[in-house]
Amino acid sequence: GAGVSQSPSNKVTEKGKDVELRCDPISGHTALYWYRQSLGQGLEFLIYFQGNSAPDKSGLPSDRFSAERTGGSVSTLTIQRTQQEDSAVYLCASSTHPGTSNTGELFFGEGSRLTVL
Amino acid sequence: KNEVEQSPQNLTAQEGEFITINCSYSVGISALHWLQQHPGGGIVSLFMLSSGKKKHGRLIATINIQEKHSSLHITASHPRDSAVYICAAGAIGADGLTFGKGTHLIIQP
Repeated sequence: GAGVSQSPSNKVTEKGKDVELRCDPISGHTALYWYRQSLGQGLEFLIYFQGNSAPDKSGLPSDRFSAERTGGSVSTLTIQRTQQEDSAVYLCASSTHPGTSNTGELFFGEGSRLTVL
Repeated sequence: KNEVEQSPQNLTAQEGEFITINCSYSVGISALHWLQQHPGGGIVSLFMLSSGKKKHGRLIATINIQEKHSSLHITASHPRDSAVYICAAGAIGADGLTFGKGTHLIIQP
């Protein structure tokens, strides 16, 4: 596609339910990042993929969070047993270069707004 | 741990004014990004730099590696420049970026 696509754009769920967020990066971009932005807070790094592997999972806030990437393309971020503090906008970005030590320009999706009631 | 501080947190200026937003970071970095986020909109990458200065239209970004400081300047500011400007630093050897909390800029006509 022309840009990074994320779905759903909005998700309202009840506490305790599982949610899955999807990111479709720009074709050919090998690096993919997940971030989240809580209300009134800055952006928080969650996880980075280079191809299908995730060399850096250091930002995942708890073991309820997991992510995978298949075919070097689409990535899904799964949050199990959602809590109210998980409410945030989850942003995906992709770039042509692996990692920020030699990174190219980052292209962001519009984000998925998650609200946990 | 890399700390990224931005100032000011909020800035309101009149159309035409010269704008400066500052970013300081605490560890050696491989790259520094300036990002723009419009209300309700996505994030757009403005600059990625590791040394010196870059210019794009009315926007200029500079970085001083020794002082661990970067600035974003907007010349002849316009109401459409109103947005949140975010600085993000990539520490050497790290893959994730550390983000500043952003500067909320409002340009009044």
